[in-house]
Amino acid sequence: GAVVSQHPSWVICKSGTSVKIECRSLDFQATTMFWYRQFPKQSLMLMATSNEGSKATYEQGVEKDKFLINHASLTLSTLTVTSAHPEDSSFYICSASHREGTDTQYFGPGTRLTVL
Amino acid sequence: LAKITQPISMDSYEGQEVNITCSHNNIATNDYITWYQQFPSQGPRFIIQGYKTKVTNEVASLFIPADRKSSTLSLPRVSLSDTAVYYCLVGTENDKLIFGTGTRLQVFP
Repeated sequence: GAVVSQHPSWVICKSGTSVKIECRSLDFQATTMFWYRQFPKQSLMLMATSNEGSKATYEQGVEKDKFLINHASLTLSTLTVTSAHPEDSSFYICSASHREGTDTQYFGPGTRLTVL
Repeated sequence: LAKITQPISMDSYEGQEVNITCSHNNIATNDYITWYQQFPSQGPRFIIQGYKTKVTNEVASLFIPADRKSSTLSLPRVSLSDTAVYYCLVGTENDKLIFGTGTRLQVFP
């Protein structure tokens, strides 16, 4: 149980385009989903936390207008990287939990974004 | 920003026990400590979670002292397939969830 999927697993796009990444909890209802970014050989950095039906809470330094997060249902959250630039190239990983805070986060397989 | 620190890397041989520590001085009173394993280009995989004292499951043990300012992940009898990066994840006093710096474990035959 507690399976989280992401789509796509990798994407290459041109600078200035927008990219949408989907995160789904397959066998449980996720009241909270988290979006992380990971650069090579670094730890995961939390970008934002989203609760179903409400606006996402962004971490300091993360532009909410650039990284649009939608959590429309208890099993789906999307991250849209708008007007992507090469510096946005990274490994984006989502996680889902039953409730915010101490409950266990289950992670998706990640999406490798490369912006040319 | 509170930093959750781990040793950068560790080496071991197959069959040995490996203990990886995580320092988290600013851990929140009510938050759990969770450990994950990550292989290259994959999402982290849940290993174990605990609040205090000792927790054991089929793959690992987690030791947490009374002050909860650190924790130790213990992997019994590692194999080559345990070569990965291990992260602790901790909730801090300022209500942030922060990953540790990660420990790269290399297991040799």
